[in-house]
Amino acid sequence: DQQVKQNSPSLSVQEGRISILNCDYTNSMFDYFLWYKKYPAEGPTFLISISSIKDKNEDGRFTVFLNKSAKHLSLHIVPSQPGDSAVYFCAASGSRSKLVFGQGTRLTINP
Amino acid sequence: DAGITQSPRHKVTETGTPVTLRCHQTENHRYMYWYRQDPGHGLRLIHYSYGVKDTDKGEVSDGYSVSRSKTEDFLLTLESATSSQTSVYFCATSAENEQFFGPGTRLTVL
Repeated sequence: DQQVKQNSPSLSVQEGRISILNCDYTNSMFDYFLWYKKYPAEGPTFLISISSIKDKNEDGRFTVFLNKSAKHLSLHIVPSQPGDSAVYFCAASGSRSKLVFGQGTRLTINP
Repeated sequence: DAGITQSPRHKVTETGTPVTLRCHQTENHRYMYWYRQDPGHGLRLIHYSYGVKDTDKGEVSDGYSVSRSKTEDFLLTLESATSSQTSVYFCATSAENEQFFGPGTRLTVL
């Protein structure tokens, strides 16, 4: 029973273009959402988050959008850079102390 | 970054042997977590801790136990390792919303 799903295992994008990573959730009690980035042989690092009271949060090249009615969130990276190549995990929380993670999407930025 | 270290970073062991992984933090964060990462499954929570001697099970806790006798240390024990426990294990800590992850331990059970 996967409460948080990332349906695209991989995504390939041209350098300079926009990368859009998607995430769906099923639990309506989730009220806080996060994106993590992971390089090989390293632990995940926090990227950006959004509370359910907002529908958009922006931090430099990274923007997260939340559509509560569709139970869907997305991460936009623009412009995409080679250093953005990594695995991206979305995560959701209904209590501040626990997160539920999606399966991850491997993003590859091509020169 | 929160100061989180994991030891060992790599371990190869045999089926049936006990294994203990250690997580150490220097940030005095209240919450600590153990996850495993497997292809197609993302990060799955094994056990977590709200404080010293206060722990609870996550979604994949069978075959694992934990202990937290000090704020800075969180131990994960596989009482009798099985091949299905071959994985990469991550420790994390948090004070509020975001969790900070350690570098991971790659465990292979033969």
